[in-house]
Amino acid sequence: DAGVTQSPTHLIKTRGQQVTLRCSPKSGHDTVSWYQQALGQGPQFIFQYYEEEERQRGNFPDRFSGHQFPNYSSELNVNALLLGDSALYLCASSLGANVLTFGAGSRLTVL
Amino acid sequence: GQQLNQSPQSMFIQEGEDVSMNCTSSSIFNTWLWYKQDPGEGPVLLIALYKAGELTSNGRLTAQFGITRKDSFLNISASIPSDVGIYFCAGHPNYGGSQGNLIFGKGTKLSVKP
Repeated sequence: DAGVTQSPTHLIKTRGQQVTLRCSPKSGHDTVSWYQQALGQGPQFIFQYYEEEERQRGNFPDRFSGHQFPNYSSELNVNALLLGDSALYLCASSLGANVLTFGAGSRLTVL
Repeated sequence: GQQLNQSPQSMFIQEGEDVSMNCTSSSIFNTWLWYKQDPGEGPVLLIALYKAGELTSNGRLTAQFGITRKDSFLNISASIPSDVGIYFCAGHPNYGGSQGNLIFGKGTKLSVKP
């Protein structure tokens, strides 16, 4: 049983570019949450998707947007990349309000 | 905004030693969670606490949900080399909603004594 899978695992972008990160939830899970983890810090909540809608959002600018598809997979989009967006982006899935299962993350470097 | 203060930031362990770390918040949480993150991996849940005063064990790990709902601790007994990693506390704010919007501490890094 595959857990949460994320792609790509690593990527490098330059300032001003746009990036799309992808997440497939664990089998049986219907809710996807995204977190940003800067180096040496704990994860910070970006937003959560359920039934293809953004249900909750953390303190992140509108440059961060997302989408959830009918098969429950999700994308995180970041526009106009800044150096400070360099981080590990974690996707976590759950069945409704239950415990989160995290993926291994996508490491984004912005030059 | 809500913050979690986790301490210590780092610690060195020798095999067989007991380890203790804690987390405090400026506001009430109705759920406390403890995660471990290994290099190149996402956080893995160790223990979940849902009730003030609750004491829960998972093998050599024991965690408690503070009575005030503003703190939690994690103890590891008889540490072994694979305990090395970064441990995070996380809390869910005391209002309705799912566990999606967890607030994490900055982590406690466990390393082996040279």
